[in-house]
Amino acid sequence: GAGVSQSPSNKVTEKGKDVELRCDPISGHTALYWYRQSLGQGLEFLIYFQGNSAPDKSGLPSDRFSAERTGGSVSTLTIQRTQQEDSAVYLCASSLAGRANEQFFGPGTRLTVL
Amino acid sequence: AQTVTQSQPEMSVQEAETVTLSCTYDTSENNYYLFWYKQPPSRQMILVIRQEAYKQQNATENRFSVNFQKAAKSFSLKISDSQLGDTAMYFCAYSGAGSYQLTFGKGTKLSVIP
Repeated sequence: GAGVSQSPSNKVTEKGKDVELRCDPISGHTALYWYRQSLGQGLEFLIYFQGNSAPDKSGLPSDRFSAERTGGSVSTLTIQRTQQEDSAVYLCASSLAGRANEQFFGPGTRLTVL
Repeated sequence: AQTVTQSQPEMSVQEAETVTLSCTYDTSENNYYLFWYKQPPSRQMILVIRQEAYKQQNATENRFSVNFQKAAKSFSLKISDSQLGDTAMYFCAYSGAGSYQLTFGKGTKLSVIP
C-alpha cells in the first residue's frame, strides 16, 4: 500500500477484555516496529520484527502483551486482560531491512480501557 | 541507555516568526542518528529532518533546520517563517547506528498563532 495502515483507528474496551491491534506495513518493508504513546509521553518502543521473527521483545511491558507477524507482512499486537494503564495510542512503523533510521509510521490505534 | 530530553513542554510562536525547539541527548556511542518528528492531531508521525552524527554539516529541509552540537549533545530545531500548519507536537528522537529502535523525548507542543 501507499503507507502504513492500522486498524482499528479507535478501540474502547472494558477492563479484563482482550484486544487485537492490526498493522499493515508498506509493501516491501520487511522490518516492522510497534511503539506505545501514553498520554503526555513520547513513544516507547515495544517490539521489532525482521520478517516474521521478533529478535527483541524486551520492550513489551508485561506477559499480557504479545505480537506476531505472518507472511512477512501484517502484524497483530494482542493485549490480554486489558488494564486501565494500557490506555494509549499504539503506533506501528515499517522500514526496509537494515534501514531502521528510515521508519515510516502509521496513524496509530487509540486504545481506551474503561 | 540512551535518553532524550526535551525541556520545553509547550511553546508558541507568531505566524511568520522563527522558533527554536530544544533537545539534548545522552549516549556513549560515537555514531548515531538524530531525528525531529512532527505529530499533528491526526496522530501521524511525520519525519521532519534527520541528522547523521558523523556529518558536521547541519541538516536543512526548506524552512526547517537543525543546530547539531555533538560535543554538547544538543540537537535543536529551528522553524523559520512559521505557518499555521506547523502547529503540532514535535518529538526529538535518537537511534544508534545499527540499532532498530528509536528513543523519543516527551515532546514539545508548538502552537502557531495567527
